[in-house]
Amino acid sequence: GQNIDQPTEMTATEGAIVQINCTYQTSGFNGLFWYQQHAGEAPTFLSYNVLDGLEEKGRFSSFLSRSKGYSYLLLKELQMKDSASYLCAVMDSNYQLIWGAGTKLIIKP
Amino acid sequence: DGGITQSPKYLFRKEGQNVTLSCEQNLNHDAMYWYRQDPGQGLRLIYYSQIVNDFQKGDIAEGYSVSREKKESFPLTVTSAQKNPTAFYLCASSMTGEAYNEQFFGPGTRLTVL
Repeated sequence: GQNIDQPTEMTATEGAIVQINCTYQTSGFNGLFWYQQHAGEAPTFLSYNVLDGLEEKGRFSSFLSRSKGYSYLLLKELQMKDSASYLCAVMDSNYQLIWGAGTKLIIKP
Repeated sequence: DGGITQSPKYLFRKEGQNVTLSCEQNLNHDAMYWYRQDPGQGLRLIYYSQIVNDFQKGDIAEGYSVSREKKESFPLTVTSAQKNPTAFYLCASSMTGEAYNEQFFGPGTRLTVL
């Protein structure tokens, strides 16, 4: 079967760095997406990786290792507004997104 | 402003009633999707459409129906056959349904069946 695993909840301090991991087993791979979702709101796109390596976009970076079925989202200089759920999703061989359950990130002052 | 709208934001229905959730996009996207989100679970695909007048079942289509008569509209009907319809429903669209295409989401409809 297809499976996406990410931690249920993480806590970090304002101004610090946090890494959210995602491991996956899917039928085929056409890229991995990270989305941010504030409570009760729509998910918004953060990043896309299809090749191995690190993609940096401001305070957010995303890493992919296809051989290990592993990705992480790195958030630097954490701000209170970064408190949200972070969703990992893999596009499978049918171009459908398979979603993880999300990681709820709590930022403390 | 281009985007996706869903209405209403909150919806209450009695058990046994059918209800239709609206989804409209003005992004000129070909592909549209309906997801269901429950606490502690990932988004699950209900139905998707890659082109007008065509749609496909997702992983949890039982108890739901859709239509795609216009490019910009993809309404979802939750029928009385859906065993546990209370959930947060998200509509999304993408330029096409193939290859890399970021999905854009509407604000969601929270359906509560009493």
